[in-house]
Amino acid sequence: EDQVTQSPEALRLQEGESSSLNCSYTVSGLRGLFWYRQDPGKGPEFLFTLYSAGEEKEKERLKATLTKKESFLHITAPKPEDSATYLCAVQAGNYGQNFVFGPGTRLSVLP
Amino acid sequence: DGGITQSPKYLFRKEGQNVTLSCEQNLNHDAMYWYRQDPGQGLRLIYYSQIVNDFQKGDIAEGYSVSREKKESFPLTVTSAQKNPTAFYLCASSIALMRQETQYFGPGTRLLVL
Repeated sequence: EDQVTQSPEALRLQEGESSSLNCSYTVSGLRGLFWYRQDPGKGPEFLFTLYSAGEEKEKERLKATLTKKESFLHITAPKPEDSATYLCAVQAGNYGQNFVFGPGTRLSVLP
Repeated sequence: DGGITQSPKYLFRKEGQNVTLSCEQNLNHDAMYWYRQDPGQGLRLIYYSQIVNDFQKGDIAEGYSVSREKKESFPLTVTSAQKNPTAFYLCASSIALMRQETQYFGPGTRLLVL
């Protein structure tokens, strides 16, 4: 069974304190791994797509990396506006029909 | 602006009542999806559609129904058979299902039971 876990469940950082969020997955036939940001009461906002191990993508203070078993979302010098829940998802299956989301990491950045 | 719209933002359901959630996209995407989000859990797939007049059950389809009569629209009906409907419902779309394409989400509808 395809599974995605995320850790930690919640993370509190001081402004400027860099850290990483983890997404571990067990799937057959990974077709893509996606990172989203979700603010309370809103739909997820797309951040990154990673397709193969070793791939990295960056956007402002965020950098996503992918290995064969996990992905990391590195946050460098975070600001309070980075506070949100970060969701990881994988697309798998012979036809790409399996979409599995992790439960998310709730990030709070304190000024 | 291209995007996905969902309505209403909040919806109240009485016991035994069927309610329909609207999802419209103007991104010219072939694939559309409905997810349910509960606190502390990942999004769970209810139904998905690869193309007009075709849709497939996801992991938690019981108590829900959908239609796809137009490319732009994918409404979800929460039937009275769904005994625990209180949740945040999210609609998404992507260019195509079988390609490694990103899903883009709407703003969501929160369903509450009276």
